[in-house]
Amino acid sequence: QVQLAQSGAEVKKSGASVKVSCKASGYTFTRNYIHWVRQAPGQGLEWMGIIEPSGGSTTYARKFQGRVTMTRDVSTSTLYMELSSLRSDDTAVYYCARGLGRPYSSNAWFDPWGQGTLVTVSS
Amino acid sequence: SYVLTQPPSVSVAPGKTARINCGGNNIGSKSVHWYQQKPGQAPVLVIYDDSDRPSGIPERFSGSNSGDTATLTISRVEAGDEADYYCQVWDSSSDHYVFGTGTKVTVL
Repeated sequence: QVQLAQSGAEVKKSGASVKVSCKASGYTFTRNYIHWVRQAPGQGLEWMGIIEPSGGSTTYARKFQGRVTMTRDVSTSTLYMELSSLRSDDTAVYYCARGLGRPYSSNAWFDPWGQGTLVTVSS
Repeated sequence: SYVLTQPPSVSVAPGKTARINCGGNNIGSKSVHWYQQKPGQAPVLVIYDDSDRPSGIPERFSGSNSGDTATLTISRVEAGDEADYYCQVWDSSSDHYVFGTGTKVTVL
């Protein structure tokens, strides 16, 4: 079955960077885009960006441009999301999710999701 | 940017019907997708393209979308349906994917 397995929890200092991994299995890695979504404690879901695993092209949410970098390693079917210049309000659970339907269109949804990675930023 | 508004909470008795609205400007012109999130778990897709159900999702879950409101309907509600529910669309004006504010469904 399709699975997205994420790396473990991280604790970082303000100003540092964090890199979260997401290993895909159970489907053809290059066939589907991968999204990154985060959720602050007690808050809703926030879309961060998307990566096309075949060529590596990315689109980032305006809010994160300049601070986020999404990459992939085709040889290991693994995606990465790196967030820099961390602040306390970056404390959140970070999810990867497979994109289905037609990317960059109304007919695009997320399924399945990884289990999430808690990133805690302390001062 | 495009805003999706959901009621913070909906309460329903077991066996009854829960309706969760997702409001957005002319949302009927977009395809809406819905996710269920139980405490401490990742979101799960329950409805895509307004009204289609992924395999494994009970027929009790249905969706509709028209005008400025999309609706997720849960029929014959069970205790296991207690969760947060989020709607999601693609905003072509910003090239962003947008989530609703989320609704907590409580089964009485």
